[in-house]
Amino acid sequence: DTAVSQTPKYLVTQMGNDKSIKCEQNLGHDTMYWYKQDSKKFLKIMFSYNNKELIINETVPNRFSPKSPDKAHLNLHINSLELGDSAVYFCASSRFLTSGGAYEQYFGPGTRLTVT
Amino acid sequence: SQQGEEDPQALSIQEGENATMNCSYKTSINNLQWYRQNSGRGLVHLILIRSNEREKHSGRLRVTLDTSKKSSSLLITASRAADTASYFCATSRGTGRRALTFGSGTRLQVQP
Repeated sequence: DTAVSQTPKYLVTQMGNDKSIKCEQNLGHDTMYWYKQDSKKFLKIMFSYNNKELIINETVPNRFSPKSPDKAHLNLHINSLELGDSAVYFCASSRFLTSGGAYEQYFGPGTRLTVT
Repeated sequence: SQQGEEDPQALSIQEGENATMNCSYKTSINNLQWYRQNSGRGLVHLILIRSNEREKHSGRLRVTLDTSKKSSSLLITASRAADTASYFCATSRGTGRRALTFGSGTRLQVQP
């Protein structure tokens, strides 16, 4: 059973295009995340949603727009793609710790985005 | 520099040897977690240690946490070729920020 799934796994597109990446989790978690992993393997948080509400929005260009139709899904839409957007994007989910801090997170397999 | 930096950046050992990876961080934390990433895959959670814990074990893994030095170590005993992967520490602050801040990772190569 797939816990956190992402589609597509690979995405090759040209500069200026708009693309979306989808994420779904079947773990019953109420918090989902998007991370970006660059070519040096550094992983950085982009967004986090709790019960469809945006709770973390890091310094990310507003060309990136997350959308959470329900707490099991978190999609990432990217407008006007640039070369620097090439990276691996990971979706993750976890339970929500009301007192702060974080539970362990479960990651999807990643979407490798290549902008040419 | 970034919150959560691993040391060394790369480590190559023989099967059966122990592997030790270190992580340093800058701010106060609620907990610290270690993750493994196999090549081309997502991250897999290994172990979580809370700020009031000093040591934790899980199978062949042993994690220590020294909050006074803002550092943690991950020890993998009796390593296997299947342990070849990148290992990341991730910190979580207790001030309402629930996202994890990851280090740059240690690439471990276990030679059969």
